[in-house]
Amino acid sequence: NAGVTQTPKFRILKIGQSMTLQCTQDMNHNYMYWYRQDPGMGLKLIYYSVGAGITDKGEVPNGYNVSRSTTEDFPLRLELAAPSQTSVYFCASTPRDSYYYEQYFGPGTRLTVT
Amino acid sequence: DAKTTQPNSMESNEEEPVHLPCNHSTISGTDYIHWYRQLPSQGPEYVIHGLTSNVNNRMASLAIAEDRKSSTLILHRATLRDAAVYYCIPSSGGGADGLTFGKGTHLIIQP
Repeated sequence: NAGVTQTPKFRILKIGQSMTLQCTQDMNHNYMYWYRQDPGMGLKLIYYSVGAGITDKGEVPNGYNVSRSTTEDFPLRLELAAPSQTSVYFCASTPRDSYYYEQYFGPGTRLTVT
Repeated sequence: DAKTTQPNSMESNEEEPVHLPCNHSTISGTDYIHWYRQLPSQGPEYVIHGLTSNVNNRMASLAIAEDRKSSTLILHRATLRDAAVYYCIPSSGGGADGLTFGKGTHLIIQP
């Protein structure tokens, strides 16, 4: 299994531009998450999904949108990029039926907005 | 979620044991204690978790205080590859609301 894959690895955006961060997992996990990590800080939850067609907001959802049309894919959309969205973005997944859950993280996308 | 307190950083020598402490005095009775670590420029990875009893796996051991208000992650023989930020995360699990990561402890391993 490849696990959780994310593309691109790096991206520079100008203010006001849009982009989609891709996330795919091949473990048939139902739960998927998007986090962001600012320098020197822990991760903050942006959005999560408990299965195809179901998404919900996390702690910091403003400026982002998500969709979940398949179990495997959970893209994160930035519509109007702002410098405050400069961060490293991590996608994660976990099996649905774990009472305690081990989250599997992707390698991250480093985004700079200038 | 329970509030956690971890040292900002710790330093240890290679091939020596490392004890990483975490205080979680507001932990609820149903919260598991999870530990994740984040190697430089990588996503977090699961290390270990436990509820009440001490736990061992191939990566580490987890010692949980009897009152569950603190725990200690033990790396028995640190290697340079163990240099990372270690996060202690109390969580009830089974839910969809993700994990709450604090700033963690930056572990430095000296050769």
